[in-house]
Amino acid sequence: NAGVIQTPRHKVTGKGQEATLWCEPISGHSAVFWYRQTIVQGLEFLTYFRNQAPIDDSGMPKERFSAQMPNQSHSTLKIQSTQPQDSAVYLCASSLAQGNTEVFFGKGTRLTVV
Amino acid sequence: AQRVTQVQPTGSSQWGEEVTLDCSYETSEYFYRIFWYRQLFSGEMVFLIYQPSFDTQNQRSGRYSVVFQKSFKSISLVISASQPEDSGTYFCALSEPGNSNYNVLYFGSGTKLTVEP
Repeated sequence: NAGVIQTPRHKVTGKGQEATLWCEPISGHSAVFWYRQTIVQGLEFLTYFRNQAPIDDSGMPKERFSAQMPNQSHSTLKIQSTQPQDSAVYLCASSLAQGNTEVFFGKGTRLTVV
Repeated sequence: AQRVTQVQPTGSSQWGEEVTLDCSYETSEYFYRIFWYRQLFSGEMVFLIYQPSFDTQNQRSGRYSVVFQKSFKSISLVISASQPEDSGTYFCALSEPGNSNYNVLYFGSGTKLTVEP
């Protein structure tokens, strides 16, 4: 079990460029979550998929951010026209969809927008 | 509004001492769970222990235990016999049941613990 795999671990983009972050959940886990961590805001929930369907995106910024889960083995978080304030560590997590189960986190992708 | 509050931004202990990290939370749900995670210096979040709201017994897992004061909506993580390897940032997180977001975690701001050898 390799755990939740996030790629790349570090990404540097120029202001205005697009950034795509990848997440491979643990095999058999059907719930996938994205979080963002910054010094100022701490750990914030962004969005959540269950069985590849988007369930709750209440934490996603309304513009420029989108997330998809085209198949059960990976999810992507895409940020268009990146801004310096998007710089953060983006964490992906997965769990079994049923309640009362542990949520496992990846090591995160550190995005730096210059 | 902040749902989870960790008022200790930092903490320290000596090797072998017991450490207590505090957390308070806000919820109107009857069923919920409180998780504790440790974030390593690499950024990885490691699950430590969780307490379901319906269980009046304080949970234990190895050197980790919690003191759950449901009526005060507060929960403390207790680390017995602390070791330098326990150093890191500890996060408390709240999960509330619901049709769509049972496992969504709302995190506190964390407590950075340093255990001196």
